[in-house]
Amino acid sequence: ETGVTQTPRHLVMGMTNKKSLKCEQHLGHNAMYWYKQSAKKPLELMFVYSLEERVENNSVPSRFSPECPNSSHLFLHLHTLQPEDSALYLCASSANLFGDRSNYGYTFGSGTRLTVV
Amino acid sequence: AQTVTQSQPEMSVQEAETVTLSCTYDTSESDYYLFWYKQPPSRQMILVIRQEAYKQQNATENRFSVNFQKAAKSFSLKISDSQLGDAAMYFCAYRVSGSARQLTFGSGTQLTVLP
Repeated sequence: ETGVTQTPRHLVMGMTNKKSLKCEQHLGHNAMYWYKQSAKKPLELMFVYSLEERVENNSVPSRFSPECPNSSHLFLHLHTLQPEDSALYLCASSANLFGDRSNYGYTFGSGTRLTVV
Repeated sequence: AQTVTQSQPEMSVQEAETVTLSCTYDTSESDYYLFWYKQPPSRQMILVIRQEAYKQQNATENRFSVNFQKAAKSFSLKISDSQLGDAAMYFCAYRVSGSARQLTFGSGTQLTVLP
C-alpha cells in the first residue's frame, strides 16, 4: 500500500475518446499534483491543487481537465488527445503546499501508463 | 528559473560495489531542499534521501549518502554495497523552502546492478 493509489494502471485510448484518470490518497494530505513523465525527460508538473482549489496550471492544453472534488481525490479528464500525449501520468500528494522543516517531500502513486493511438 | 541536471542517463555497477550518481542544479535561492527519488519497475517514486540546504552535514540513510556541495550547486548520491534491488531510475529533485514553488526534477539516471 503506497498511500496514493492511481487507476487505471494502463490505458489505451483513441484520439477521439474521453477517459479519466483517478488518484486517491488517505494520508490526510492537503495538496495534490499531476505530473507527466515522458521518456528521457524531467517530470513535468501539470496541475497543483491545495485544499481542493487549483493553484497552478502549467500551460497544459485544454484537452487535459483536472478535477478535485475533495482533498482525497483527484481526477484528470482526457479528451481528443494526441499521440504525443502518450506518457506515464503520476499523481502525488504532500502534507501542504509549502515546503517546511517537517515536510518530507511528496508521496507518489504508481502512475497510469497512457497510450494514445 | 530553477533547473536540475543529471548528466548520466545510464550507469551500471557490480553487485556489492559502490556507485555515485551526479546531480547539479541552478538556483538563486539560499534555503531549499534537495531530494533523490528512486523509481523501480513498479513505477512508484520512492524517496531515498533528502538534504536541507542550510545543513552542512551530508545526509545519510543506511547505504545511501549524499555529497552536498552548496557553492558548486552539486548534489551527488552514493550507493554503497549495491544490491540487485537498487536497480531503478533515480531522479534528483529540488524544492524551495517555504514557497509554493513545487518539486523540480532532473531527467533521471537509469541504474543497472550487475550480479
